[in-house]
Amino acid sequence: DTAVSQTPKYLVTQMGNDKSIKCEQNLGHDTMYWYKQDSKKFLKIMFSYNNKELIINETVPNRFSPKSPDKAHLNLHINSLELGDSAVYFCASSRGQGSSPLHFGNGTRLTVT
Amino acid sequence: GDSVTQMEGPVTLSEEAFLTINCTYTATGYPSLFWYVQYPGEGLQLLLKATKADDKGSNKGFEATYRKETTSFHLEKGSVQVSDSAVYFCALSGITGNQFYFGTGTSLTVIP
Repeated sequence: DTAVSQTPKYLVTQMGNDKSIKCEQNLGHDTMYWYKQDSKKFLKIMFSYNNKELIINETVPNRFSPKSPDKAHLNLHINSLELGDSAVYFCASSRGQGSSPLHFGNGTRLTVT
Repeated sequence: GDSVTQMEGPVTLSEEAFLTINCTYTATGYPSLFWYVQYPGEGLQLLLKATKADDKGSNKGFEATYRKETTSFHLEKGSVQVSDSAVYFCALSGITGNQFYFGTGTSLTVIP
């Protein structure tokens, strides 16, 4: 059973398009996250939701909009895609308590041409 | 603010060599500390963790000890294998438990 699953695994699209990435977790966690990993493997937090409430909203272009319909799902919608958006996007979840680790999905590799 | 500083790579070792990847942190209060591993084409997986000073986390032959006096959490393995080739991330979670801070990652390649 996959704990944190995200779709699609690969996404190739042209500049200017709008795309979405979906994420679901079956761990019963209260907190979910979106991270962006660049080509140098650097991880940057983008957003975090706790029980459907936005709690972390880092400096991210407003073309990126997260949506959490329930605490098991956190989707990421990206408008007007740009070349610089090409990266691997990871969804993650945690219990939201100090000692509880993050559980990551396998990532979505987004390529903007 | 809270942060993690991790040894830069890449690191290349021969099989059965000893591995150390340095990690130091800055944090308010008493954070929990983690090491994650990312194999090629995969997401990050928890390798080990420690939640209080002097705790030792261990898994798959890897160890790290939470050293409050030196604010460090260095990752070690006595004898690396080719299958250990991956990117390793040091991380901490702050006092709220919702915010995680990651190091820049260290790429390890083990050659036969």
